[in-house]
Amino acid sequence: DTGVSQDPRHKITKRGQNVTFRCDPISEHNRLYWYRQTLGQGPEFLTYFQNEAQLEKSRLLSDRFSAERPKGSFSTLEIQRTEQGDSAMYLCASSPNGGSYEQYFGPGTRLTVT
Amino acid sequence: AQSVTQLGSHVSVSEGALVLLRCNYSSSVPPYLFWYVQYPNQGLQLLLKYTTGATLVKGINGFEAEFKKSETSFHLTKPSAHMSDAAEYFCAVSLYNQGGKLIFGQGTELSVKP
Repeated sequence: DTGVSQDPRHKITKRGQNVTFRCDPISEHNRLYWYRQTLGQGPEFLTYFQNEAQLEKSRLLSDRFSAERPKGSFSTLEIQRTEQGDSAMYLCASSPNGGSYEQYFGPGTRLTVT
Repeated sequence: AQSVTQLGSHVSVSEGALVLLRCNYSSSVPPYLFWYVQYPNQGLQLLLKYTTGATLVKGINGFEAEFKKSETSFHLTKPSAHMSDAAEYFCAVSLYNQGGKLIFGQGTELSVKP
């Protein structure tokens, strides 16, 4: 039983560059969520998908951020023109349809913008 | 609006002592509540959850939590701390009427002294 996986685990980029992260949820989990976590804080919701449909985007998600889940399986999160304020841990979670909405988290991608 | 408050950003206990981590929530609907644990540079691991039914819920690693509606609380306890319990703990409320996204508290760092 494989869990949620994320790639890469770490990314260092220069300000202004674009980055893309990938999340592979637990198979057959219909819902997929992205969160951002800065040092010393709890995770903050960014967006979520029900199958391939993106159903909600947080106001934290500026126009430079875009997320996709093209076939209802893996998801990507892209940040264009990165800024130093984007430095954070980006967490992905998945949840099965129905039930108690419990979410299972991946190990996260730590982004450092220099 | 839903929110979560964790009292105490840092809690220190001796090995073998009682662990008590406090969580209060605000929710406009009957809440689904969760506790997660996070070890350094890792994702979040689900400890336990409350949805409906029994208000005392047991989780992994000997942790349990009690849902008290009248106090809007969901405190996490463990009778006897172990060194391996040292980690960051997050309480969260699920907005199940909004796709299940989680609203997290600020986190409590638990230290265990030998």
